[in-house]
Amino acid sequence: NAGVTQTPKFRILKIGQSMTLQCTQDMNHNYMYWYRQDPGMGLKLIYYSVGAGITDKGEVPNGYNVSRSTTEDFPLRLELAAPSQTSVYFCASSREAGGPAYEQYFGPGTRLTVT
Amino acid sequence: AQRVTQPEKLLSVFKGAPVELKCNYSYSGSPELFWYVQYSRQRLQLLLRHISRESIKGFTADLNKGETSFHLKKPFAQEEDSAMYYCALKGSGTYKYIFGTGTRLKVLA
Repeated sequence: NAGVTQTPKFRILKIGQSMTLQCTQDMNHNYMYWYRQDPGMGLKLIYYSVGAGITDKGEVPNGYNVSRSTTEDFPLRLELAAPSQTSVYFCASSREAGGPAYEQYFGPGTRLTVT
Repeated sequence: AQRVTQPEKLLSVFKGAPVELKCNYSYSGSPELFWYVQYSRQRLQLLLRHISRESIKGFTADLNKGETSFHLKKPFAQEEDSAMYYCALKGSGTYKYIFGTGTRLKVLA
């Protein structure tokens, strides 16, 4: 049981390039999330999904796109990368939407630099 | 505005000393509060949630609705407690977290 896995671990992009950050979970969780964490800041929600085929915007969605074709995978697409997207990106998943056992499980993160 | 504030970026204490990591929040409804921890080279993981009223690794946190706080406490710090700690809020009926900026705890020998 690997939990939440993310690839790549590190990436350097040039301004204007595009890339996809991969996220996979093997816990059969319905809910998945993408966060970004800028230096000295808390995690900010980019997009989330409540199940296959359903996604919605979080707090900072501009410049990103997501899809959720399967329960396991939730890729994050960066189009036309900008220096402001330099950040550490975390994917997370949860079984429930709430309740006493609510918990998000996080991936190890992807460190992205746009130059 | 919905907000979680952790006023200390860094907190250094000596081993065996008490620890209190501060968390204040602003939320108009009924929040659920959590503490997450990230040890060196490990992923972010749940430490405790207020709804469970549990003690994990000697840490406790009480939700004070009057003061809108959820401070994390431990009576005797250990070196292995050194980590980054994040306070997070989830609104009742939602499934999205609002995170604080985190406090780095350093426990000195």
